[in-house]
Amino acid sequence: AQSVAQPEDQVNVAEGNPLTVKCTYSVSGNPYLFWYVQYPNRGLQFLLKYITGDNLVKGSYGFEAEFNKSQTSFHLKKPSALVSDSALYFCAVRDSMEGNAGKSTFGDGTTLTVKP
Amino acid sequence: NAGVTQTPKFQVLKTGQSMTLQCAQDMNHEYMSWYRQDPGMGLRLIHYSVGAGITDQGEVPNGYNVSRSTTEDFPLRLLSAAPSQTSVYFCASHPRARPPDTQYFGPGTRLTVL
Repeated sequence: AQSVAQPEDQVNVAEGNPLTVKCTYSVSGNPYLFWYVQYPNRGLQFLLKYITGDNLVKGSYGFEAEFNKSQTSFHLKKPSALVSDSALYFCAVRDSMEGNAGKSTFGDGTTLTVKP
Repeated sequence: NAGVTQTPKFQVLKTGQSMTLQCAQDMNHEYMSWYRQDPGMGLRLIHYSVGAGITDQGEVPNGYNVSRSTTEDFPLRLLSAAPSQTSVYFCASHPRARPPDTQYFGPGTRLTVL
């Protein structure tokens, strides 16, 4: 069975500082990994994904994530946080095996608060 | 494209009532999923479909039924509502694509069961 862990319920950073939101995963085959952001009373919006290739992937709004196969991690990062980045962030995994392609598993979410 | 649409946006039910949450997508995506979101529990998969006529259970299927008669529509039925089903429900879709694409989410339905 596939699973995702986001070990921090809450991350607090000051505006202008770098931020990291952590994610680790477990799948049977090769992982497809995704980060989503959710603003209050809204649906989830896609930020970035890792499928294959370069371990550092860049996404929307200046976010990037680093895939580490040996540590089974996919941490979300941003060099300089903005107050407007404050939101709920979800990591998700999908198994590359064809029979599991329709099924995504999400972490419990991490609330990011950026203070001025 | 309208993307993924969900109706209603809000619903209040009494225990034991039944209802259907509607979900439709106009992107011709093969895969569709229903999730519920509860505080501190992330998104949990209820049911999903890999194409018209094919559905499967997710992590928390009890109390819910689905069907997929067309590519576009994937309704979620609550057979006999219980207070434990109070939640925010999201529908999502994605294509059977290589390389894999992101899921596209609807705006959600906020359901309260009294």
